[in-house]
This record gives sequence, structure tokens and C-alpha cells, in this order.
Amino acid sequence: EAQVTQNPRYLITVTGKKLTVTCSQNMNHEYMSWYRQDPGLGLRQIYYSMNVEVTDKGDVPEGYKVSRKEKRNFPLILESPSPNQTSLYFCASSSRDGVRSPLHFGNGTRLTVT
Amino acid sequence: AQSVTQPDIHITVSEGASLELRCNYSYGATPYLFWYVQSPGQGLQLLLKYFSGDTLVQGIKGFEAEFKRSQSSFNLRKPSVHWSDAAEYFCAVGAYNTDKLIFGTGTRLQVFP
Repeated sequence: EAQVTQNPRYLITVTGKKLTVTCSQNMNHEYMSWYRQDPGLGLRQIYYSMNVEVTDKGDVPEGYKVSRKEKRNFPLILESPSPNQTSLYFCASSSRDGVRSPLHFGNGTRLTVT
Repeated sequence: AQSVTQPDIHITVSEGASLELRCNYSYGATPYLFWYVQSPGQGLQLLLKYFSGDTLVQGIKGFEAEFKRSQSSFNLRKPSVHWSDAAEYFCAVGAYNTDKLIFGTGTRLQVFP
């Protein structure tokens, strides 16, 4: 089954403790992206990747890192999480880019930073 | 710069009633337009998209949307809502010369039996 898999689904952590949210897709998609969803703000793009070893900042990249060493994986790294990064995070992929081909989303990771 | 406005934060309808969710965009040229749906606890799923051609587009689950250039709108419609349509709906706009999709703030649909 074609899917985007994010782990974990729920994560509670404390300020400053490094964490990684994993994202993997099995569709051989070139484009992958991370979004955060906050009430009243919709989805905002954090980082995206057009292909292996090619990443770029989205609209809200501060406090986040990503890497794309393999085509299928696109982990999101929070080196020193802060409470304002409490949010619902989505990973997405598409065959071409974020516009000309549909995005396929994971089921989300709800992060709470205390 | 591109932007998307969904004026309705929350809409409540009765099952079987018709539905229209509003979406207005700001973009200088013909945009790529999308509607995505997010069911509770799920990621977003594409309902339909408009790139060019016929301004009335059909999507999955009985939804349709109409692109109106003069009004900069791309409203989503369904003639008869089912309880399973309760979800959050996002309109999104993309530009042909970028790889960025801009999402609206979403409209939460509640369906009463």
C-alpha cells in the first residue's frame, strides 16, 4: 500500500531535549516536505526536499533541521525544542513537486514540549 | 505574493443539506488550486485540483469546485452532505513557477443528523 509513515504519532518532551521525527515513503517520490499545523494558522511549510541531498527552507524553518540522505526518508530534527514548537506535524511527499503533483500526507505527529 | 483566504472557520450543516465552502486566493496569474480534506486523526487527502481548462472540476466523494477568475474564488460544493463528510477542509494555491503550496487556515465542517 502506498503510504507516508511518520513516527511517533505522539511525543511529549521537555525543553532542550533533542528529538527526531521520522518520515518514510514507499512511492519512490522525489519531493518531500514537512508542515506544522496550528489552530487558526493552517499548515505552514517548515522544510522541503526536491531530491536526495537537496533541501530548502520553507516558511517557518527556525529551530528545525532536516536531512535527505536516502530518497525514501526525510527526518525532522529539533536540536533544542522549545514550547512554541508544540504543534501537529505532517510529512508529505509527491512524485514531482509540491504543486504540479498531489501531496500524499502522513497521519501526523502531535508534539508537546513542556 | 500568493495567499489563500478561507473566511469560514466553522460551518455546521444538517445531513442531506447542500454545502458550499468558500475559498479566495490572491495571485497575479492563473494559479494551481486545490482542496484537501483532513478527517479526524488523519493526514490530508486531495479532494480535487484545478490547473487549467474546464472551470468546474469534479473530485472524490461527490465534491466539486468552480474556479471563478473574476472573483478570485475556488469554492467547494456538495449537493447533499453525509455525516462522514465531517472534517476540516483546506484550500491551497500554488504557482506554476514555484514548488510551494500555500494553504488556507481551514474550515471545520460539522454535520448534524
